[in-house]
Amino acid sequence: GAGVSQSPSNKVTEKGKDVELRCDPISGHTALYWYRQSLGQGLEFLIYFQGNSAPDKSGLPSDRFSAERTGGSVSTLTIQRTQQEDSAVYLCASSLGPRSLTEAFFGQGTRLTVV
Amino acid sequence: GQQLNQSPQSMFIQEGEDVSMNCTSSSIFNTWLWYKQDPGEGPVLLIALYKAGELTSNGRLTAQFGITRKDSFLNISASIPSDVGIYFCAGLYSSYKLIFGSGTRLLVRP
Repeated sequence: GAGVSQSPSNKVTEKGKDVELRCDPISGHTALYWYRQSLGQGLEFLIYFQGNSAPDKSGLPSDRFSAERTGGSVSTLTIQRTQQEDSAVYLCASSLGPRSLTEAFFGQGTRLTVV
Repeated sequence: GQQLNQSPQSMFIQEGEDVSMNCTSSSIFNTWLWYKQDPGEGPVLLIALYKAGELTSNGRLTAQFGITRKDSFLNISASIPSDVGIYFCAGLYSSYKLIFGSGTRLLVRP
């Protein structure tokens, strides 16, 4: 597609349920990044993929968070047993390759609300 | 974790006014970036700064990379209504990780 696409745009879930957030990067972009934006805050790094590998998962807040990427394309961020503090906008970005983060494009984000 | 201090948190603008915001860090960054985020959208890169002391313009926007490499500022001249949004500074921590400021929200003065 023309840009980074994320789905769903909005997700309301009950505390304790699992959620999956999807990111479709720009075609041909091998690097993919997940960031989280809490209300009134800047973006916080979660995880980075180069191809299907995740060299750095250090930003994932807890073991309830996991992410995978298949076929060097679509990525899924999964949050298990959601908590209210997980409520945030989850943003995905992609770039051509490693060391091209300054040329990354962001998706519109998934707004997650845990009630 | 590392944080960037961005100020002001918010400001009202009147059409035609110049606007200034800045970002400081306790750590050195070799690349500073400025983004704008519109409601319901992801951040869009405005300006990238790669060299200490560098002054870079993009239309009505001008940004500077501080000589100490610990700060940066963004100026918007002759603001227009579509400048409304949230502006973020970011420092390039590694080849794949950005550290963001908490944002400056630009609002139109009623």
